Amino acid sequence: AQSVAQPEDQVNVAEGNPLTVKCTYSVSGNPYLFWYVQYPNRGLQFLLKYITGDNLVKGSYGFEAEFNKSQTSFHLKKPSALVSDSALYFCAVTDKLIFGTGTRLQVFP
Amino acid sequence: EAQVTQNPRYLITVTGKKLTVTCSQNMNHEYMSWYRQDPGLGLRQIYYSMNVEVTDKGDVPEGYKVSRKEKRNFPLILESPSPNQTSLYFCASSLGLSLGDTQYFGPGTRLTVL
Repeated sequence: AQSVAQPEDQVNVAEGNPLTVKCTYSVSGNPYLFWYVQYPNRGLQFLLKYITGDNLVKGSYGFEAEFNKSQTSFHLKKPSALVSDSALYFCAVTDKLIFGTGTRLQVFP
Repeated sequence: EAQVTQNPRYLITVTGKKLTVTCSQNMNHEYMSWYRQDPGLGLRQIYYSMNVEVTDKGDVPEGYKVSRKEKRNFPLILESPSPNQTSLYFCASSLGLSLGDTQYFGPGTRLTVL
């Protein structure tokens, strides 16, 4: 069965520090991997995706993600967190979007 | 502006009273889908549609119906809502379902069934 896991319910980071939101996946065949962000009272916004090619994918708002096939991971990263990055982040796999349970990112001033 | 719209945004209803949540997209997308979001469970797919008159069940289809009579519209129908369908619902659309086409989401509909 295809699935995705986000092992952390919440990640806390100080503004200006680097952030990582973890995602691991289990799929058969080549994975399509996505990150979406949900701000309070808003829909999901697409951040970035990995289909093929370079393992480091750059996306919106300064976010990037690294595809690691051997570790079946697709962690979301940002070099310097902003308070405005505080939101709920979802990792998803396959083109039909099987979602993880989400990770709440809290950036403190 | 390219977008997915949903109506209503908020709805409080009672058990058994039929309701429809509309979804419309203006991007000429072939693929549309419905998800529900529940705390601790993430988003789960209810139904999806590959094109007009082509619909299929997702992971949690029980208690829901959909139709796709026009390419732009994909309404979600709850014939007899129950309290366990209280949730946040999202409609999404994409060009298709290949090569990781990006899905674009509507703003959500918060449904409460009393």
